[in-house]
Amino acid sequence: NAGVTQTPKFRVLKTGQSMTLLCAQDMNHEYMYWYRQDPGMGLRLIHYSVGEGTTAKGEVPDGYNVSRLKKQNFLLGLESAAPSQTSVYFCASSYSSGRFSYNEQFFGPGTRLTVL
Amino acid sequence: KQEVTQIPAALSVPEGENLVLNCSFTDSAIYNLQWFRQDPGKGLTSLLLIQSSQREQTSGRLNASLDKSSGRSTLYIAASQPGDSATYLCAGYTQGGSEKLVFGKGTKLTVNP
Repeated sequence: NAGVTQTPKFRVLKTGQSMTLLCAQDMNHEYMYWYRQDPGMGLRLIHYSVGEGTTAKGEVPDGYNVSRLKKQNFLLGLESAAPSQTSVYFCASSYSSGRFSYNEQFFGPGTRLTVL
Repeated sequence: KQEVTQIPAALSVPEGENLVLNCSFTDSAIYNLQWFRQDPGKGLTSLLLIQSSQREQTSGRLNASLDKSSGRSTLYIAASQPGDSATYLCAGYTQGGSEKLVFGKGTKLTVNP
């Protein structure tokens, strides 16, 4: 099993450009998450999904959109990139969530994005 | 709003020392708690998951405990090795946001040979 994979690993954008980050998991997990990690801020949840066809906002959703058309994939889109979106983006997945057991989250290797 | 604090922010120890990393929550009403390890430039690796009904979990030289009444968790590392050098993060689910894992900012551990 590959676990959680992310593409691309690195990307440099100019302000105003758009891009899509792809996350894929092969563990048949229902829940998927997008986080960003910034120095001094820790990990913050951008959007998440509790199942195919569903998405919900996290702590810092502005400027991002997501889609979960297939259970194994979770896409994060930036429609008009801004320098404030320079960050490392992590995708994660889990079998369940919250109060239930077996809610261990597994993370991908990350995408390092720079917006000039 | 749930906040997670990890103390200390950085720790440097000689090889072989036993050490404890601390994690505390402002809201003690938490569900499962997870400890992660992050190496520089890498993703997060799950170390231990303490489920809501449990008080501790062990894996090799690692032992994590959870005291929900005080809103605290500790990660104990026995006989530390240079390969343990990394940033350690704790995170937990809270009752108010059942799908959201709240993270601490981490403790950066350096084990010196």
